Amino acid sequence: QSALTQPASVSGSPGQSITISCTGTSSDVGGYNYVSWYQHHPGKAPKLMIYEVSNRPSGVSNRFSGSKSGNTASLTISGLQAEDEADYYCSSFASSNTVVFGGGTKVTVL
Amino acid sequence: EVQLLESGGDLEQPGGSLRLSCAASGFTITPHAMTWVRQAPGRGLEWVSSISSNGDSTYYADSVKGRFTISRDNSKNTLYLHMNSLGAEDTALYHCAKGLRMGFDNWGQGTLVTVSS
Repeated sequence: QSALTQPASVSGSPGQSITISCTGTSSDVGGYNYVSWYQHHPGKAPKLMIYEVSNRPSGVSNRFSGSKSGNTASLTISGLQAEDEADYYCSSFASSNTVVFGGGTKVTVL
Repeated sequence: EVQLLESGGDLEQPGGSLRLSCAASGFTITPHAMTWVRQAPGRGLEWVSSISSNGDSTYYADSVKGRFTISRDNSKNTLYLHMNSLGAEDTALYHCAKGLRMGFDNWGQGTLVTVSS
């Protein structure tokens, strides 16, 4: 149950696009199409942004998109806005019915 | 409105026990797997445990296996986490969340567990 690998921080200017990577193994990210992404503003409950690699829950902006290639999943935020500044976590369903999270990425809007 | 409200967090001594509760409102937990996720101070999210919709199957992170027990009472629309042999490493904000395989689509604000002498 090792954590997925995410960059500690990513930054971009308003209007730009950024991509956050999430690298695991064939026992988690690579083995299942059950990768999720969460937005977490400090002091608030985390919010599901992407599920099953690339699906957006109702109400989530289409500026958020997800993809996967091999053992690496990615979250892209396009048209970056000030309100997107937050911590972002990926997670993956894994073998033995467990779940593993990434270490989190702090997104800064310059 | 869908809500999950955790309670039971407290200051506890090393080796002690606590029981966390998560009361759901605005929906019924009966058809859903439910999960506990924690966040230690200054750290990221960590999956702790999940339970199937009928409670027959339970799953644990290696870090809590043998010490924590997840359970549910669908008639009370409530999820529980029984925590034994607590250590400093268990100090965290504990969130309950709806879901498992397909992600966690509703979360509570969390209840704080502090383990210290």
